Amino acid sequence: AQSVTQLGSHVSVSEGALVLLRCNYSSSVPPYLFWYVQYPNQGLQLLLKYTSAATLVKGINGFEAEFKKSETSFHLTKPSAHMSDAAEYFCAVSKFGNEKLTFGTGTRLTIIP
Amino acid sequence: NAGVTQTPKFRVLKTGQSMTLLCAQDMNHEYMYWYRQDPGMGLRLIHYSVGEGTTAKGEVPDGYNVSRLKKQNFLLGLESAAPSQTSVYFCASSGLGLAGVEPSGTAKNIQYFGAGTRLSVL
Repeated sequence: AQSVTQLGSHVSVSEGALVLLRCNYSSSVPPYLFWYVQYPNQGLQLLLKYTSAATLVKGINGFEAEFKKSETSFHLTKPSAHMSDAAEYFCAVSKFGNEKLTFGTGTRLTIIP
Repeated sequence: NAGVTQTPKFRVLKTGQSMTLLCAQDMNHEYMYWYRQDPGMGLRLIHYSVGEGTTAKGEVPDGYNVSRLKKQNFLLGLESAAPSQTSVYFCASSGLGLAGVEPSGTAKNIQYFGAGTRLSVL
């Protein structure tokens, strides 16, 4: 069975500071990994995905994530936080790209002016 | 191109009442999913469908039923609502294949989500 663990249910960073949201996965096969973002009262929107191509994946809005097999991690980063980044972020894993996703519990990101 | 549309957006039920949530997608996707989102628990899969006329149980199927009579629609039913079913429900869809672009212009191997239905059961 696959699973993901997101460390830190709440993360606060100052505007302009580095954003780092942590995700560790467990999978018996090479996984497909995703980061989704949810803005208040909205559905989920895909930020980026890892599908066994390049280990450094670039997504929308300046976010990127690096797949590290040795650490079973897929942390999400952004060099400089913007107020508009305030949202909840979910890491997810699937065995195949379009199969059912298993989500982490989410990390709420707050940006301090 | 509307994507994934969920109706209704909000609903309040009394314990024991029944209701159906509708999900419609216009991307000609084969796969459709129903999730529920609860604080501190992320999204959990209720039921899913891999094509018209098919359904399968997800992680938390008890108390729910689904139907996929038409490819574009996926219905989630609550026969006798309970307070434990108070949640935000999300529908998603995805196409076949592992890479590339669907005929609808959407990317393969990712799920597209609706805006959600907020359900309260009193």
